[in-house]
Amino acid sequence: DSGVTQTPKHLITATGQRVTLRCSPRSGDLSVYWYQQSLDQGLQFLIQYYNGEERAKGNILERFSAQQFPDLHSELNLSSLELGDSALYFCASSPTSGSTYEQYFGPGTRLTVT
Amino acid sequence: GENVEQHPSTLSVQEGDSAVIKCTYSDSASNYFPWYKQELGKRPQLIIDIRSNVGEKKDQRIAVTLNKTAKHFSLHITETQPEDSAVYFCAASIGSGGSNYKLTFGKGTLLTVNP
Repeated sequence: DSGVTQTPKHLITATGQRVTLRCSPRSGDLSVYWYQQSLDQGLQFLIQYYNGEERAKGNILERFSAQQFPDLHSELNLSSLELGDSALYFCASSPTSGSTYEQYFGPGTRLTVT
Repeated sequence: GENVEQHPSTLSVQEGDSAVIKCTYSDSASNYFPWYKQELGKRPQLIIDIRSNVGEKKDQRIAVTLNKTAKHFSLHITETQPEDSAVYFCAASIGSGGSNYKLTFGKGTLLTVNP
């Protein structure tokens, strides 16, 4: 157990719908990262938040957005869903100190769009 | 941006043999190189990492080597066991100050250890 939690574990929804994925980082970690894992694209970085502010963006679609709240949990919002958005979505968190760079992954949310 | 290439995509070994997985990266600013093990349907789990100021790091049966000049790094697993069977991912990142930035992953290597 990495200490990172994600809900829900599974999500099945229809095309065109909107969903919200939730992540709680490890206690004390200020950085949260979102990754998408699909068979054809592998593990891809979507977006990073640090202490409530967006720090870096990767290949995140305009239909996707995220935020980090004052209690440091983060949400990833996916809208106008398409079949190709079906994937495993992981969040990871990272310790905040001068010498540690490790990212610890949560269990993931499996999204199926039908 | 950073690009990470990983080889081979599949690797099958006999129990007790060694396994080597190799990765190359493109961005010379990358300074942090972790390896993750992922079992089917589960989260990627950090198994070992190395920073650019170190050439080699070992933890029991696993070791990682880094060649900054050639921009490649490798994972070595000795005395493989069936429970080592999983997908292994290499990644590269830039770490600075109190945080690091996005991980760029290789495509993964499916390791099968045959009893």
